[in-house]
Amino acid sequence: AQSVAQPEDQVNVAEGNPLTVKCTYSVSGNPYLFWYVQYPNRGLQFLLKYITGDNLVKGSYGFEAEFNKSQTSFHLKKPSALVSDSALYFCAVSPTDSWGKLQFGAGTQVVVTP
Amino acid sequence: GAGVSQSPSNKVTEKGKDVELRCDPISGHTALYWYRQRLGQGLEFLIYFQGNSAPDKSGLPSDRFSAERTGESVSTLTIQRTQQEDSAVYLCASSLSSGGGTDTQYFGPGTRLTVL
Repeated sequence: AQSVAQPEDQVNVAEGNPLTVKCTYSVSGNPYLFWYVQYPNRGLQFLLKYITGDNLVKGSYGFEAEFNKSQTSFHLKKPSALVSDSALYFCAVSPTDSWGKLQFGAGTQVVVTP
Repeated sequence: GAGVSQSPSNKVTEKGKDVELRCDPISGHTALYWYRQRLGQGLEFLIYFQGNSAPDKSGLPSDRFSAERTGESVSTLTIQRTQQEDSAVYLCASSLSSGGGTDTQYFGPGTRLTVL
């Protein structure tokens, strides 16, 4: 079975500090991995994706993610968090046996305090 | 419009009634997806349409759920005889194609359905 896990329900960080949101996956074959962010009462906004190539992927709003095949991880990072980064973050995988049907993690709530 | 739009934004209905949720994808996007997000949970895939191919309905939770799409435009998700467990946010997404799972899906704002 293919799946994605976000081990932390919530991450708290002070503004200006580095932010990391963890994601691990379990898929057969080469994974296609995505990060989305959801602000209150709004739909999901795409941040970045890993398809192939460079393990470090840069995305919107200063976010980046590192694909680590040996650890089956795709952690989202931001060097310096802003209060406006407070939101719900979802990691997703496009399973290789059912492309297009994104499988989402449960989400991680990020709280950035001033 | 520039993005995916959904209507209504909120829908309150009584148990046993039928509801229709509408999605307008980004113009030119051939693939369209429906997901359900229950309170405090991640998204569950429901159904997806790719061009003129038969839709993938494998995520629909029961035969009370159905969806249609007219060509490569508007889609309607219908829930018949609604139950309280159907209460959720229903999100629609579209992408240029479903080429091998690499396409980025762009999401609408969702319809919040409350079944009393």
